[in-house]
Amino acid sequence: GAVVSQHPSWVICKSGTSVKIECRSLDFQATTMFWYRQFPKQSLMLMATSNEGSKATYEQGVEKDKFLINHASLTLSTLTVTSAHPEDSSFYICSAVTSGASYNEQFFGPGTRLTVL
Amino acid sequence: EDQVTQSPEALRLQEGESSSLNCSYTVSGLRGLFWYRQDPGKGPEFLFTLYSAGEEKEKERLKATLTKKESFLHITAPKPEDSATYLCAVHGSSNTGKLIFGQGTTLQVKP
Repeated sequence: GAVVSQHPSWVICKSGTSVKIECRSLDFQATTMFWYRQFPKQSLMLMATSNEGSKATYEQGVEKDKFLINHASLTLSTLTVTSAHPEDSSFYICSAVTSGASYNEQFFGPGTRLTVL
Repeated sequence: EDQVTQSPEALRLQEGESSSLNCSYTVSGLRGLFWYRQDPGKGPEFLFTLYSAGEEKEKERLKATLTKKESFLHITAPKPEDSATYLCAVHGSSNTGKLIFGQGTTLQVKP
């Protein structure tokens, strides 16, 4: 089956630093990847849609200058949290859609736990 | 605006005690309703996709059903390893590629 990986699985950083999270589709090409954020005991909230070779589309209320998304290839998308603050601490999850497939076929990564001190 | 509401928020069952989880939704042009299982600290694991009212799908002890307003995830004779959070999501015609998630039902099955 389609496998999506994320790196790192967890990260702790100091307030004001930037953190990069990678999302990779391991055995398929993904033209579209989605980035979600999940706070404790809450559901997944879509942050942005990332399309290979074009700018990401951000959801309302998500600061594009703070959450930089780069979908450089058909197998890799990165999310950079710039100047992270404690309120950015959350569980970040990506998903990927295989090329040519309907958007119904999303495969999720294992998530990255970010803690900002 | 597309919305998904799941109930109950939490459910405790004894091993072997069957029950159902509810997912109520409002969406303009349903393209798919999804059930996922999420273990603590992990990403969602795909369970089922339902596309039209009347459709049913089964996998081991789980059975998902769909009407025009809601979906049920039936759990028959659950085991402790079924303990997890179950998420429901919809994909509507107005949201290209976007999944709208419910808040989830956290299931605990005691031996």
